[in-house]
Amino acid sequence: DTGVSQDPRHKITKRGQNVTFRCDPISEHNRLYWYRQTLGQGPEFLTYFQNEAQLEKSRLLSDRFSAERPKGSFSTLEIQRTEQGDSAMYLCASSLSGRSTDTQYFGPGTRLTVL
Amino acid sequence: TQLLEQSPQFLSIQEGENLTVYCNSSSVFSSLQWYRQEPGEGPVLLVTVVTGGEVKKLKRLTFQFGDARKDSSLHITAAQPGDTGLYLCAASRGGSNYKLTFGKGTLLTVNP
Repeated sequence: DTGVSQDPRHKITKRGQNVTFRCDPISEHNRLYWYRQTLGQGPEFLTYFQNEAQLEKSRLLSDRFSAERPKGSFSTLEIQRTEQGDSAMYLCASSLSGRSTDTQYFGPGTRLTVL
Repeated sequence: TQLLEQSPQFLSIQEGENLTVYCNSSSVFSSLQWYRQEPGEGPVLLVTVVTGGEVKKLKRLTFQFGDARKDSSLHITAAQPGDTGLYLCAASRGGSNYKLTFGKGTLLTVNP
């Protein structure tokens, strides 16, 4: 399978704990995106990378959130001191620049539940 | 704030019926994508439309991008239970703005 993969698929944690999610994009894709989706809503943009550079961050991304993409390959999203409001599906997507449209392909997501 | 309005929000129909869902905005977009999402999974890309007035067909699904590139529709002919899912439209402004803005989605249930 050469699609976008995410790990873990599910994470249950207690309030105040730190969590880290991983995303592996489609191998030749140089752009990587993180979105968050809560129940009954469409995904909302969090941040995106072109290669290893983080080029944009949403105001949704508080100081407790940090994302990295070392070497421009996989990416991690860390949430420190989790809160119940962080419970959501965290989606990763990737795309290839240089094409006429920036079509993004999504992974299966990581479902986070904060107790 | 969602800039894309999808309607209807919920749709429950019988197998064999036709349906149309809509995605509207006051903004102009460089491209628009339709995704289908099943519970607990990520969105799966159905189509990308770029040109105003463009029509694309994918088996029983027909997608149209408005002439002004502000709206789109998805028409399904002879719906089947396997079409059940959340249909999301998403758009980007283009240029150096690559992030997608999503609508809230249309939750379609096709009953056998």
